[in-house]
Amino acid sequence: DAKTTQPPSMDCAEGRAANLPCNHSTISGNEYVYWYRQIHSQGPQYIIHGLKNNETNEMASLIITEDRKSSTLILPHATLRDTAVYYCIVRAPMGGSNYKLTFGKGTLLTVNP
Amino acid sequence: EPEVTQTPSHQVTQMGQEVILRCVPISNHLYFYWYRQILGQKVEFLVSFYNNEISEKSEIFDDQFSVERPDGSNFTLKIRSTKLEDSAMYFCASSKRGGGRTSGGSSSYNEQFFGPGTRLTVL
Repeated sequence: DAKTTQPPSMDCAEGRAANLPCNHSTISGNEYVYWYRQIHSQGPQYIIHGLKNNETNEMASLIITEDRKSSTLILPHATLRDTAVYYCIVRAPMGGSNYKLTFGKGTLLTVNP
Repeated sequence: EPEVTQTPSHQVTQMGQEVILRCVPISNHLYFYWYRQILGQKVEFLVSFYNNEISEKSEIFDDQFSVERPDGSNFTLKIRSTKLEDSAMYFCASSKRGGGRTSGGSSSYNEQFFGPGTRLTVL
């Protein structure tokens, strides 16, 4: 799976949009971009994933650049409960021996009141 | 909303003892996983399980570890002889499928749903 690069930490004001960047310049054509988050001491929580089109769900939006070398997770109206470590994971479709999620260090997003 | 559950929430054991960590995956999920997170470190994959057999395992998952689905609802991780370095948070996860073939949005077939974890402390 391709390696990802994320800033170690970011701050955001409550109610504002949080934009979390991720670089994945070695991504392959069949690899998906997944975002998970981990609120302190809890299990990771799935947020969203995409291949090349932008995606939106009830939690967030995912913007993937046209060359797919980077992406941005957008939390449109951040709340204090969104304070967590956010992980960007690039992952090939399952099959063969590819089942695992490979977590990096992620970005610690702190939402301030 | 269905969720993955894990018991116990905290397990304290003596070095050399056997421990069994229990998980109840989401009921219609077919793929099951164990991960661990040593305090202050990354979440690490241990093993995935499908159709009653291990489908992938990491280097961490050595002969001291085993997994089992003893009935239609439970999924267990056994550590035969615990070591101090096994102290960690252990997360169970499940997914309907293993693949990433669909795009995102509301699709819920591929993502892994994690339980709250079991904190294992080896003394």
